[in-house]
Amino acid sequence: QLQLQESGPGLVKPSETLSLTCTVSGGSISSSSYYWGWIRQPPGKGLEWIGSIYYSGSTYYNPSLKSRVTISVDTSKNQFSLKLSSVTAADTAVYYCARHRQYEPVDYWGQGTLVTVSS
Amino acid sequence: QSVLTQPPSASGTPGQRVTISCSGSSSNIGSNYVYWYQQLPGTAPKLLIYRNNQRPSGVPDRFSGSKSGTSASLAISGLRSEDEADYYCAAWDDSLSGPYVVFGGGTKLTVL
Repeated sequence: QLQLQESGPGLVKPSETLSLTCTVSGGSISSSSYYWGWIRQPPGKGLEWIGSIYYSGSTYYNPSLKSRVTISVDTSKNQFSLKLSSVTAADTAVYYCARHRQYEPVDYWGQGTLVTVSS
Repeated sequence: QSVLTQPPSASGTPGQRVTISCSGSSSNIGSNYVYWYQQLPGTAPKLLIYRNNQRPSGVPDRFSGSKSGTSASLAISGLRSEDEADYYCAAWDDSLSGPYVVFGGGTKLTVL
């Protein structure tokens, strides 16, 4: 059964870079059918798509976050990662990693990890 | 302000049928698949409907989806107390800045 597990610091200081990794188990990140992405949800608010990556390195990003986001993939470790630079309190959220087909929304979600931006 | 528009709340009594709407535009719902998710408190969203009206295995047939033009709807029949949750619609948007996924703002369903 496919499992997606987020990992990384739960606390990041303002102006620093948020870094998270998603480890995929029960399936190969190199599958030709799927993209691997990140979505976030501020406390008490709705969902916001951040971006996604194909195993070859092709990416899609949310235009509103594109200037601060980098998503990368490590097929040897079956992992993909998120870096969000110059964070502020507005970036405090539960961050989910997820899977989707090209041009289709998410069909599988990780459990999510809370990242708080605070000094 | 979400790209897809959902009512912030909906309610019904057990056994009733409830519908949640999701309104978009030609660049998202009008030209791409709509997905629906259920999010129980403190948990990750769960896929309810994919490709406008398809149910993943394990999702009861009480849940159904439809799409017409630039709008979509999620219907829940035979409402049960465990259906009380937040519901989100999503679709790809063919933005001039590059395609990306857009979500509705979510609808909180209360079972009275």
